[in-house]
Amino acid sequence: GQSLEQPSEVTAVEGAIVQINCTYQTSGFYGLSWYQQHDGGAPTFLSYNALDGLEETGRFSSFLSRSDSYGYLLLQELQMKDSASYFCAVRDETDKLIFGTGTRLQVFP
Amino acid sequence: DVKVTQSSRYLVKRTGEKVFLECVQDMDHENMFWYRQDPGLGLRLIYFSYDVKMKEKGDIPEGYSVSREKKERFSLILESASTNQTSMYLCASSPVTDNEQFFGPGTRLTVL
Repeated sequence: GQSLEQPSEVTAVEGAIVQINCTYQTSGFYGLSWYQQHDGGAPTFLSYNALDGLEETGRFSSFLSRSDSYGYLLLQELQMKDSASYFCAVRDETDKLIFGTGTRLQVFP
Repeated sequence: DVKVTQSSRYLVKRTGEKVFLECVQDMDHENMFWYRQDPGLGLRLIYFSYDVKMKEKGDIPEGYSVSREKKERFSLILESASTNQTSMYLCASSPVTDNEQFFGPGTRLTVL
């Protein structure tokens, strides 16, 4: 079967750094994406990794290790507005996305 | 800005009714998708389409059908709604050459 594992919940304080891990087991793999979803909102795209290594976009970075079937999203200088759910998603060979069950991040002052 | 719109934010239907959920995107994207989102289960793909008149089953197509008569519009149909189809339904679109999917605001469907 196809599965993506990520922690259900993470908590942190403002200004801190948090890492959300994602391990995947899928029949095909073309890349790993991350999406953010605030309560009541639509998922929005954060990043995409097709190759091994770290991609940085402002305060957010995403890492991929294809040999370990593992990736993570790193959020730095946390702000209250970062409180949201974060989903990893594998892009398979047919361009479909297979989503993880999501990690709820709560940022406290 | 890419815009994906869905016909209703909230919808209440009765068991056995035929339900239509409409999705329209304004960026000429080839790919369109329908997901349902349930607590603890993430987003699960129901159907997708890479072109007009074309449709492919996703991971949970049972009880659903779709229609794509025009490039910008992708409709999800519940032939005979059941209570286990109570969920948040999300539509998304993407260009064929890009990795990013753009999501609509969602329709929260309740089947009584």
